[in-house]
Amino acid sequence: QKEVEQNSGPLSVPEGAIASLNCTYSDRGSQSFFWYRQYSGKSPELIMFIYSNGDKEDGRFTAQLNKASQYVSLLIRDSQPSDSATYLCAVNSYDKVIFGPGTSLSVIP
Amino acid sequence: NAGVTQTPKFQVLKTGQSMTLQCAQDMNHNSMYWYRQDPGMGLRLIYYSASEGTTDKGEVPNGYNVSRLNKREFSLRLESAAPSQTSVYFCASSEMGGAGTEAFFGQGTRLTVV
Repeated sequence: QKEVEQNSGPLSVPEGAIASLNCTYSDRGSQSFFWYRQYSGKSPELIMFIYSNGDKEDGRFTAQLNKASQYVSLLIRDSQPSDSATYLCAVNSYDKVIFGPGTSLSVIP
Repeated sequence: NAGVTQTPKFQVLKTGQSMTLQCAQDMNHNSMYWYRQDPGMGLRLIYYSASEGTTDKGEVPNGYNVSRLNKREFSLRLESAAPSQTSVYFCASSEMGGAGTEAFFGQGTRLTVV
């Protein structure tokens, strides 16, 4: 079992819809969880982080964490074509950060 | 503000050749990382350094060596390149290793081994 798993997609949503991205992790000791966005040919950039169970909102983005289920999600409201990218879930595992394979999101105008 | 700087940006090697990828950060971060990214595989950790003077293996260390030269610099060496090492390599740094702080990435090195 991989340490961090995501649906690879591609996930296609129409402009203005909600995009839902999911991630599961295997290390129950993980304390910090991140969502990165990566445009094609570019470096990953952080868009959200969450440490506590529950929801965390930042503009159109909401991160959700459920440590008991070892599950992290990212919701993107009012999706825009500029949100089309690969979204990488990352989890800290002791003293390192492990990434999932990423989910490709395409927002259709 | 440079952040994380990697060199070179592109490189083509012949099988068996060696090379060193350089990485430097100017944010006074303690932790530095080397990842490789292949299509559909996400970022896989090769080696990391949680603090100056320490290095540890990640998920895919075979065929690579690293050196944490000082707090700023963390290099990745391929002693005998193989076609399987064709990939995009990213260096990253964070203030504390895995303690919930953001990792900042370099612009990547696209390596092709023929």
